[in-house]
Parts: sequence; structure tokens; C-alpha cells
Amino acid sequence: EVQLVESGGGLVQPGGSLRLSCAASGFTFSSYWMHWVRQAPGKGLVWVSRINSDGSSTSYADSVKGRFTISRDNAKNTLYLQMNSLRAEDTAVYYCARDPGTTVTTWYFDLWGRGTLVTVSS
Amino acid sequence: EIVMTQSPATLSVSPGERATLSCRASQSVSSNLAWYQQKPGQAPRLLIYGASTRATGIPARFSGSGSGTEFTLTISSLQSEDFAVYYCQQYNNWPPPCTFGQGTKLEIK
Repeated sequence: EVQLVESGGGLVQPGGSLRLSCAASGFTFSSYWMHWVRQAPGKGLVWVSRINSDGSSTSYADSVKGRFTISRDNAKNTLYLQMNSLRAEDTAVYYCARDPGTTVTTWYFDLWGRGTLVTVSS
Repeated sequence: EIVMTQSPATLSVSPGERATLSCRASQSVSSNLAWYQQKPGQAPRLLIYGASTRATGIPARFSGSGSGTEFTLTISSLQSEDFAVYYCQQYNNWPPPCTFGQGTKLEIK
């Protein structure tokens, strides 16, 4: 089955760190650009970060630049998001999403996971 | 930043009827517009990209139209499984590279 499964969310104090994982299965993970998108409680979807297929190129939303790092392990079919210096406003469900582009990113997302909840609170 | 505005916030429609959802961009996004469906506790699902191209496996009752700043998602004959929240997304302008609308909740009348 083609799917993405996120894990690693939880409760963390402000200033803390967390690493999210996204396990891919059912498709050739190493061929696709991947993204993280988040959704704060009661709010809309917001793009967070993207990485190209071999991990050599990344980009970030201004709100997380310098604090979050996206990476991938194609041998393990897994996408990561390392989140440092977390703030209350980072509280959200974090989704990993596949970009259907293989050589360039299309910036829309044809496969999503169910998300993992990150709560930043003291 | 391009702001995407969806209307209405909630739409009540009876099964078998047609539903029309709107999405407006604060400036032109050409045809770089996608629609997603999300049910509670489930992953979002891509329905439409390029404003009018159905994604793989999406039933023909879903159709998208529009260009520039005005877009529409039409569901021709609502099935029980279609009641969900629908989001539009533009991917034409930087920064940021894409932005989403706040969603339209389609509920059973």
C-alpha cells in the first residue's frame, strides 16, 4: 500500500527539541521531493519545509528558518524534521507530503500522511 | 504573500445534489491551483491540480474550473463519502512557495 506514516510528536516545553519521522512505503521514496506541512488547532494548512529527492537541496518557511532542519534517509525510506528552539506557535499537527515532481518540485502534494501532533507548552 | 479566501465557510447540501465551493486569490495565480479533501483523522487527499485536472483515482463527479483569481470546485452529485473539509492551495507565487485557504466544511443537510 502506498502510504506515509508520521511519528515522533508529543508534548515539549518551550525552547525544547523534537524530531519527527515520516516512514514511506509502497513507492520509490528516493525518486520524490518531500515536504512538511503543518496545521495549528482550528487553523489552515501551512507549508513548512521541502527537500529534493537526494537530500542535497532544502528550503524553509521564514517562520522556522534557522530552527528546523529537514533531512531524509533514502536507504530507510524515511523523512525527518528536526525541530529546535520550539515555541508555543509551533503547536500543530505536522504532515509529511509527497510532491509528484521527480526532477523539479511542483509545490502541490499528491500523497499525505495522517499527521503527528506537536504541542509546545510548559 | 498571496491570501486564499474560501467561501462559504460551511456548506449544507443534501446527498445527490450539486455542491459548488469557491476559492479566491488575492492576486493572480494563473492555473496553479489545487484542491484537497480532508476527513476527520485522515490524511488530506489531492483532488484537483492545475485548476482543472483530476488527480489519479478521483471520481468524475469532482471538477475544477477557473484561472487567475477565481476558482470553483464542483461536486456534481454528492455521495455520503464526500462530506468533508475542502482546501484550495495556490502554488504560483513566492514567497512563500504555496499558500492554502482556510477550508470549506461540506456538511449533510
